[in-house]
Amino acid sequence: SQQGEEDPQALSIQEGENATMNCSYKTSINNLQWYRQNSGRGLVHLILIRSNEREKHSGRLRVTLDTSKKSSSLLITASRAADTASYFCATGDSGGYQKVTFGTGTKLQVIP
Amino acid sequence: DVKVTQSSRYLVKRTGEKVFLECVQDMDHENMFWYRQDPGLGLRLIYFSYDVKMKEKGDIPEGYSVSREKKERFSLILESASTNQTSMYLCASSPLGQGKSGANVLTFGAGSRLTVL
Repeated sequence: SQQGEEDPQALSIQEGENATMNCSYKTSINNLQWYRQNSGRGLVHLILIRSNEREKHSGRLRVTLDTSKKSSSLLITASRAADTASYFCATGDSGGYQKVTFGTGTKLQVIP
Repeated sequence: DVKVTQSSRYLVKRTGEKVFLECVQDMDHENMFWYRQDPGLGLRLIYFSYDVKMKEKGDIPEGYSVSREKKERFSLILESASTNQTSMYLCASSPLGQGKSGANVLTFGAGSRLTVL
């Protein structure tokens, strides 16, 4: 079964606006990551937040993690047309095998 | 530039054929993964391997097998391809193996789009 569910499935905004994507997961985790996928290509790692962290920033990206609610959010500020892509959350399990499972993704369109 | 290379970008196969998808990484990573990606379903983990000759089932292993004879190479095998295995297949690797502490950041290949007719 899918570990993460993302919301919304699709998001369309104007350039310059902020984009917020949410991720919910089911089991205990060691860390949560966000990845980006441009159309038809492999995924690229954006940012990682550990289970003992609540918020993390990287450039225009801000990630929050609420382990009590088993949820995370990714905020992209001042969006650009080049941010148009699909965004996925991924969870690393707390077991020993380093399994990483992904959510269903949010498709973001930034209109110039 | 570190890389994960998937041998075929596009493949077309017939139902019942045996299909091999190859993945090679040059980063000396411990872990390797195979996912399939379908619209609306995101990425689903098929198998992963945390060491040579070691493998673990993911969430959807049925109809697939894997082989990891060398650290850098992880193969996905469809013993008898079926039309419901038409999909994008993504290989990834990460540095941390079994029992290692830290966070596993994945590096992905470009993907192999398989069509089974």
